[in-house]
Amino acid sequence: GAVVSQHPSWVICKSGTSVKIECRSLDFQATTMFWYRQFPKQSLMLMATSNEGSKATYEQGVEKDKFLINHASLTLSTLTVTSAHPEDSSFYICSARDIEVASITEAFFGQGTRLTVV
Amino acid sequence: GQQVMQIPQYQHVQEGEDFTTYCNSSTTLSNIQWYKQRPGGHPVFLIQLVKSGEVKKQKRLTFQFGEAKKNSSLHITATQTTDVGTYFCAVRGNQGGKLIFGQGTELSVKP
Repeated sequence: GAVVSQHPSWVICKSGTSVKIECRSLDFQATTMFWYRQFPKQSLMLMATSNEGSKATYEQGVEKDKFLINHASLTLSTLTVTSAHPEDSSFYICSARDIEVASITEAFFGQGTRLTVV
Repeated sequence: GQQVMQIPQYQHVQEGEDFTTYCNSSTTLSNIQWYKQRPGGHPVFLIQLVKSGEVKKQKRLTFQFGEAKKNSSLHITATQTTDVGTYFCAVRGNQGGKLIFGQGTELSVKP
């Protein structure tokens, strides 16, 4: 299956600082990537849809100025958590779709990034 | 938008016992997918169902899609410790293919 690489796998930062998370599709091109957040013992909640070359589409209740998404190429999307606070501590996971296979059913996920804000 | 309710939230079984998790929707679903997430890991695709009444099997796992396409289930026969993890159902939306996940069922297996 397709490989999605997410970096870093974990990060600890001080309150008020910004953290950038990268999501790369290694062996395919992805016009669309999805960013999810997962709190302990909870489900994956979609935060935003990242579109290559255009603005991201954010889900209701997600602050676009706090969670900056950039999808500058067909293989890379980044999520920047700005002015992070302890309540932003969570597991962030990206997912990507292969543009060559529009009918592909499964979603390919990155390994996830565990963010801890102290 | 589409939502799916998943139960139970937790299930603790003895190794060898069966396990079932259920997903329900108030609206007709065009598709439903199932994923497994091991502790500390990311979701891994198991299967997709699209046809009314569809039943698919993967070794000890049996997936069903209801006749009305409003519910689905995942059944594991004779659980093993390797089955431990959280099982999610998910629906792929029509716009852009985003996935909406159920709440998940966390399975623990006692050897």
